[in-house]
Amino acid sequence: GAGVSQSPSNKVTEKGKDVELRCDPISGHTALYWYRQSLGQGLEFLIYFQGNSAPDKSGLPSDRFSAERTGGSVSTLTIQRTQQEDSAVYLCASSPGGAEDTQYFGPGTRLTVL
Amino acid sequence: GQNIDQPTEMTATEGAIVQINCTYQTSGFNGLFWYQQHAGEAPTFLSYNVLDGLEEKGRFSSFLSRSKGYSYLLLKELQMKDSASYLCAVFASGGSYIPTFGRGTSLIVHP
Repeated sequence: GAGVSQSPSNKVTEKGKDVELRCDPISGHTALYWYRQSLGQGLEFLIYFQGNSAPDKSGLPSDRFSAERTGGSVSTLTIQRTQQEDSAVYLCASSPGGAEDTQYFGPGTRLTVL
Repeated sequence: GQNIDQPTEMTATEGAIVQINCTYQTSGFNGLFWYQQHAGEAPTFLSYNVLDGLEEKGRFSSFLSRSKGYSYLLLKELQMKDSASYLCAVFASGGSYIPTFGRGTSLIVHP
């Protein structure tokens, strides 16, 4: 079956512009995570959605970052007024729902802020 | 806070065995994952340990000691395609749904 997909695969933007990154999780997966991975760094948790519950936004680095998940499926991560330090690979992962379920990752979006 | 430690880089020879260690200090423990990530690709699941002991899966095995806060990933009969980054991730207890990832160990397999 289809895995997790993300779009775009690459995004180059100018400092100060807004960007939207999309994630399509595996059908039926109730949990969805966004992570950020900078060169040589581990995965940095950003936000977690579980079903219809309020998302856990504790990892968002600033109020320029926001995310939503429509209909318990597709998710969009929005970064407003991008800064050069936002440049990273943004990974989305979904899991069937349990706290310790295996996470299935998408291919990521490489964001470059000039 | 949560802390996960892994070596930054390791090298090994094709056909050999390599052990990648992971130590963790977390507020409780509810399971440990190992993921493999090839350059430019998404992480893929390798193993999950929640009880002490060794879990074997083909050429890959993963070991856990909860009392020592320690895990390792053992790769046997190394192949060139095993060159990748190996990520250790821990779920703390207390209902946490957010895993803490280590920085990953870059494994280079040479002929």
